[in-house]
Amino acid sequence: GENVEQHPSTLSVQEGDSAVIKCTYSDSASNYFPWYKQELGKRPQLIIDIRSNVGEKKDQRIAVTLNKTAKHFSLHITETQPEDSAVYFCAAPASGSARQLTFGSGTQLTVLP
Amino acid sequence: GAGVSQSPSNKVTEKGKDVELRCDPISGHTALYWYRQSLGQGLEFLIYFQGNSAPDKSGLPSDRFSAERTGGSVSTLTIQRTQQEDSAVYLCASSLVGGLQGDSRGYTFGSGTRLTVV
Repeated sequence: GENVEQHPSTLSVQEGDSAVIKCTYSDSASNYFPWYKQELGKRPQLIIDIRSNVGEKKDQRIAVTLNKTAKHFSLHITETQPEDSAVYFCAAPASGSARQLTFGSGTQLTVLP
Repeated sequence: GAGVSQSPSNKVTEKGKDVELRCDPISGHTALYWYRQSLGQGLEFLIYFQGNSAPDKSGLPSDRFSAERTGGSVSTLTIQRTQQEDSAVYLCASSLVGGLQGDSRGYTFGSGTRLTVV
């Protein structure tokens, strides 16, 4: 089945710096890659996603890049703020299914004031 | 409804008891998913419902776990003879269509049910 690996597991950055979280996937047929943010004690929420027909997508301070050849995609957060502190999950469609997602293990991002 | 609603928000149960967790998806969302999140861990897929199709139960960890979805809307996840390792947050999500091709919004998650088995 699809295997999604996420790195790093924890990341601390100074406020205003950039943060990058990387994920790799195993199924070359995967074509949809969302990122979810989960604040402490709250539900995961979709923050950005990318489909395989584009290499990069931006939404204000957040961007996602996709390298289909290498089978990896990354989340980039610029000008980080304390409210960006959360756990971030990447995901990809489970192999053999366009239905459920397989999630990475999560990255705990801490933005230090 | 405006969002995915789950109940109860917290459930403490004794080992060996049965529990039922409820999920009310967003109105009109045909796909419904259950995931489990253990403390500090990722999201483990349990089961997926799409319309009137047979559910994908491939993620259920044992035969003590079952789920149903009535009328294509509300879903109930049942855990029989609960064990301590069942303690986790159980998250429900729904999406507009089954499959992720047509809905750029992906999943909308509920707030989860925190299950504690003592």
